[in-house]
Amino acid sequence: GAVVSQHPSWVICKSGTSVKIECRSLDFQATTMFWYRQFPKQSLMLMATSNEGSKATYEQGVEKDKFLINHASLTLSTLTVTSAHPEDSSFYICSAILPTGRGSADEQFFGPGTRLTVL
Amino acid sequence: AQTVTQSQPEMSVQEAETVTLSCTYDTSENNYYLFWYKQPPSRQMILVIRQEAYKQQNATENRFSVNFQKAAKSFSLKISDSQLGDTAMYFCAFRGATNKLIFGTGTLLAVQP
Repeated sequence: GAVVSQHPSWVICKSGTSVKIECRSLDFQATTMFWYRQFPKQSLMLMATSNEGSKATYEQGVEKDKFLINHASLTLSTLTVTSAHPEDSSFYICSAILPTGRGSADEQFFGPGTRLTVL
Repeated sequence: AQTVTQSQPEMSVQEAETVTLSCTYDTSENNYYLFWYKQPPSRQMILVIRQEAYKQQNATENRFSVNFQKAAKSFSLKISDSQLGDTAMYFCAFRGATNKLIFGTGTLLAVQP
C-alpha cells in the first residue's frame, strides 16, 4: 500500500517560535503533496499544494510567509509555521498523490496528522 | 466554485442496522470524482469509497455503497450491518480538474451497541 508519515505527531511550542512539520511518502515518490488544516470538530481546509522542485501554491487567505512549504525531494515536503501564535494551534494533515500508473487516478493518501499547540 | 454540503452534523445507528449519510455538491464540471472518507478518533483519514462521475453504476465496497445521482448532484453513503468500529466522522469530498479535494463539513456517526 501507499504510506504517508508525518513527524512530529504532536508538538507544543512557545509563542513566537517556529515549528517544522515533515510529511514523507514512505514507499512511493510523490510529485504533489497537499497540506490541510483542521480545527476541532471541523472539516479539513486545504492550505496549499506542494509541488516537488517548485514553489507551493497557496489557497486564498493562507499567508505564504507564515506557512512556509518546501518540497525539496520526491518523498518529503515540510511545513514550517513561522513565529507561531496561539491562533495557529490546530491539527495539520498532509496528503500525497500516487504517481500516474500506480493505483487509481491520483488517489490521495493521508498522513496521520500533527497536533500543534502554541502556548 | 465547487461546494460540498453535508446536512447531517450527527447521526446515530444501532449495531447491525443500516444508516445512510447524505451529501450534495455543486459543480459545473462534467468529469470529477467523489469520495467518502472516514476519520476515526485517531484522526487518520481513511478512504471508504470512491465514485467516478462518468460511471453510472454505483460504487460498492463490502458493507459500504453509494447512491450517486449525477443530475441531482447527490452522493449518499449507505452503511449496512453497522459495526462499532464504524463510529467516526465521515466526510464527503469532491475532486475536479484541479486535483484538489473539497470536503464537506462532516457527519459524526455513532454506532450504538
